Amino acid sequence: NAGVTQTPKFQVLKTGQSMTLQCAQDMNHNSMYWYRQDPGMGLRLIYYSASEGTTDKGEVPNGYNVSRLNKREFSLRLESAAPSQTSVYFCASSEGLAGGLNEQFFGPGTRLTVL
Amino acid sequence: GIQVEQSPPDLILQEGANSTLRCNFSDSVNNLQWFHQNPWGQLINLFYIPSGTKQNGRLSATTVATERYSLLYISSSQTTDSGVYFCAVVGNAGNMLTFGGGTRLMVKP
Repeated sequence: NAGVTQTPKFQVLKTGQSMTLQCAQDMNHNSMYWYRQDPGMGLRLIYYSASEGTTDKGEVPNGYNVSRLNKREFSLRLESAAPSQTSVYFCASSEGLAGGLNEQFFGPGTRLTVL
Repeated sequence: GIQVEQSPPDLILQEGANSTLRCNFSDSVNNLQWFHQNPWGQLINLFYIPSGTKQNGRLSATTVATERYSLLYISSSQTTDSGVYFCAVVGNAGNMLTFGGGTRLMVKP
């Protein structure tokens, strides 16, 4: 099992450009998440999807959109990138949201720089 | 929302030494995880431990949920233990994994 995979690994954008970060998991998990990690800090939740067909905002959703394409895939879109969105983006998944089902497993991250 | 504080923020050890990392949280939790972020940025799951004690090799963790803290013990540290250790929790009333600020560990040979 590959676990959680993310593409691309690195990306450089100019201010105003758009892009989509892709995430897929092969653990048959119901819930998926997008986080960002700024230098020297812990991760902060951008959006999550409790199950296929649902998405909800996290702590820092402004400037982002998400799509839960199917049970395996959850994408994050930046419509008009800004330098403040320079960060490392992590995707995660868990079996569910409640109790013992919510241990989260993380992908390798995408390092995004916006010039 | 729930607050998570980790201590110490930085720790330098000589190889072979033992250490204890602490995580305090401000409310009841139904999920607590410890992660190691290695120097390449990868997040590695260490423990899922909302309560009780677990051990995995040289690492062990204890969460005392009633007193709102968790401890991560590293014994006989190795240079490969270097990196940042994060504690993260989900409050009973929430769905979000909230991360602490991390403990940066450097193990010197």
